Amino acid sequence: RKEVEQDPGPFNVPEGATVAFNCTYSNSASQSFFWYRQDCRKEPKLLMSVYSSGNEDGRFTAQLNRASQYISLLIRDSKLSDSATYLCVVNMGAVDSGGSNYKLTFGKGTLLTVNP
Amino acid sequence: GAVVSQHPSWVICKSGTSVKIECRSLDFQATTMFWYRQFPKQSLMLMATSNEGSKATYEQGVEKDKFLINHASLTLSTLTVTSAHPEDSSFYICSAREGVETQYFGPGTRLLVL
Repeated sequence: RKEVEQDPGPFNVPEGATVAFNCTYSNSASQSFFWYRQDCRKEPKLLMSVYSSGNEDGRFTAQLNRASQYISLLIRDSKLSDSATYLCVVNMGAVDSGGSNYKLTFGKGTLLTVNP
Repeated sequence: GAVVSQHPSWVICKSGTSVKIECRSLDFQATTMFWYRQFPKQSLMLMATSNEGSKATYEQGVEKDKFLINHASLTLSTLTVTSAHPEDSSFYICSAREGVETQYFGPGTRLLVL
């Protein structure tokens, strides 16, 4: 089983659509979870952290289910500018006082294209 | 917000050449920096974790003698690809960690080895 596995995609949706991304992770001891977006030929940029209680930032909603080791990202009312690759990222190290085991593991990403 | 820079942004070199990439945190001190590599249509793969003033920790399968990492100060880490070959052509991205969890990525360096 891959450490972080995402929908392979790609997703092509019209403007205004709602899109859901799914991700599973293998290490049950993982401590923190993120969604990043990566534009073509650019570095990844943090979109949002994912908390156990679920969290929302405008049109973006992230959910975490630790029992199922599952993370999701929902984008509502998608815009053309949302077109990018969405990366599920998991910190599989322990976040101790020194954070010495901090290590981000990236999923392969899911490409989203929002069409006019 | 925090900014991480990388230099150069792209490199084209002949096989056998050594290439040095710099990663700088511009407005914060980073005790830990990370080096990743990304091949086309693949995920970012962590190559090594670089701690200021100590030896880097390499991931399994990454040759430490080929990818030399130096983290001489809290704002600078360098990655040297020694005797680069075409299979080393990739997108190299560094990141710098601020605080416990926040990690900022540099813009990346595209390396093409002919």
